[in-house]
Amino acid sequence: GENVEQHPSTLSVQEGDSAVIKCTYSDSASNYFPWYKQELGKRPQLIIDIRSNVGEKKDQRIAVTLNKTAKHFSLHITETQPEDSAVYFCAARSGGGADGLTFGKGTHLIIQP
Amino acid sequence: KAGVTQTPRYLIKTRGQQVTLSCSPISGHRSVSWYQQTPGQGLQFLFEYFSETQRNKGNFPGRFSGRQFSNSRSEMNVSTLELGDSALYLCASSDQQETQYFGPGTRLLVL
Repeated sequence: GENVEQHPSTLSVQEGDSAVIKCTYSDSASNYFPWYKQELGKRPQLIIDIRSNVGEKKDQRIAVTLNKTAKHFSLHITETQPEDSAVYFCAARSGGGADGLTFGKGTHLIIQP
Repeated sequence: KAGVTQTPRYLIKTRGQQVTLSCSPISGHRSVSWYQQTPGQGLQFLFEYFSETQRNKGNFPGRFSGRQFSNSRSEMNVSTLELGDSALYLCASSDQQETQYFGPGTRLLVL
């Protein structure tokens, strides 16, 4: 089955700086890669997703890049703000949807004022 | 549209008991997936239902089961509860684009 590795587990950045979280996946058949943000005590919320026929996608301060050859994808947050502090999860889903979403272990992003 | 809802939100059970959790998807969504979230294992896929049929299943023992009704509402059942089943159980409903939207979860504590 699919295996997703996520790094780093904790990331601390100064407010206004950029943050980058990286994930690798193992199943070359995976074709859907969402990112979720989870604040303490709340549900995971989709912040951006990308499909394998696209190399990059942007939504305001958030962008995701995908390298299918290397089987890795990254989340980029620019001009970080205090409300960006949360746990971020990457996930992958194979083309056949055989195993549901496979999640990384999460990155705790801390925005220092 | 109203979001995904789950009931109950909190549950305390003892070992050996069984529990049933409920999930109502976003109106129009026909797929419901269930996940277990724990601090140690993170988010793990349990199973997915589409049009009342289990389409996919994760690597969990047979004590974990589920079903989906004709109105797309779904339930999951855990029998013979163990201490290790204490977790946040999340359901997610999907649209035709596969995007999954999570409910608030049911926090289960097994004593």
